[in-house]
Amino acid sequence: GAGVSQSPSNKVTEKGKDVELRCDPISGHTALYWYRQSLGQGLEFLIYFQGNSAPDKSGLPSDRFSAERTGGSVSTLTIQRTQQEDSAVYLCASSLGIEGTQYFGPGTRLLVL
Amino acid sequence: EDQVTQSPEALRLQEGESSSLNCSYTVSGLRGLFWYRQDPGKGPEFLFTLYSAGEEKEKERLKATLTKKESFLHITAPKPEDSATYLCAVSRTGGSYIPTFGRGTSLIVHP
Repeated sequence: GAGVSQSPSNKVTEKGKDVELRCDPISGHTALYWYRQSLGQGLEFLIYFQGNSAPDKSGLPSDRFSAERTGGSVSTLTIQRTQQEDSAVYLCASSLGIEGTQYFGPGTRLLVL
Repeated sequence: EDQVTQSPEALRLQEGESSSLNCSYTVSGLRGLFWYRQDPGKGPEFLFTLYSAGEEKEKERLKATLTKKESFLHITAPKPEDSATYLCAVSRTGGSYIPTFGRGTSLIVHP
């Protein structure tokens, strides 16, 4: 079956602009996660959803970051007023339940100029 | 706080030269330890989950083992296509199920 998909695969934006990153999880997976991966760094947890609710937003780096999930499926990560330090690969993963194995998408490479 | 340390940071092998990657962890109660493979420009690909000390899992040339303090990913007779970054992560019992990831080991296998 289809895996986790993310769009766009690459995004170049100017400092101060808003960006939206999209994640389509594996069909039937109730849990969805967002991570950030910077060069030479480990995966940094941002937020996860169980269904449409986000029980843990502790990883969001600032109030410029927000995420939503609708219909228990697609999720959007929004970064407002982007800064150069937001440049990274944003990875989405989904799992059958919160205890399930996480399967990752290919990521969105964000470059803020 | 959960901690995951992977070593070495980078490893170069000749084709056929077996070796092991290490993942040392500190967690209050281990729910699971995960190994992923990540190719350049791609998302992590799931390899194994280990749950208890003494457990072993194998897939092709890879074998993962687990003790109470660390996990090893053994690579037997590697091929150039095994070149990738290997990530280790741990999830703890109770509270959040969000895994803590290590920084990975970058493996290059030369033909």
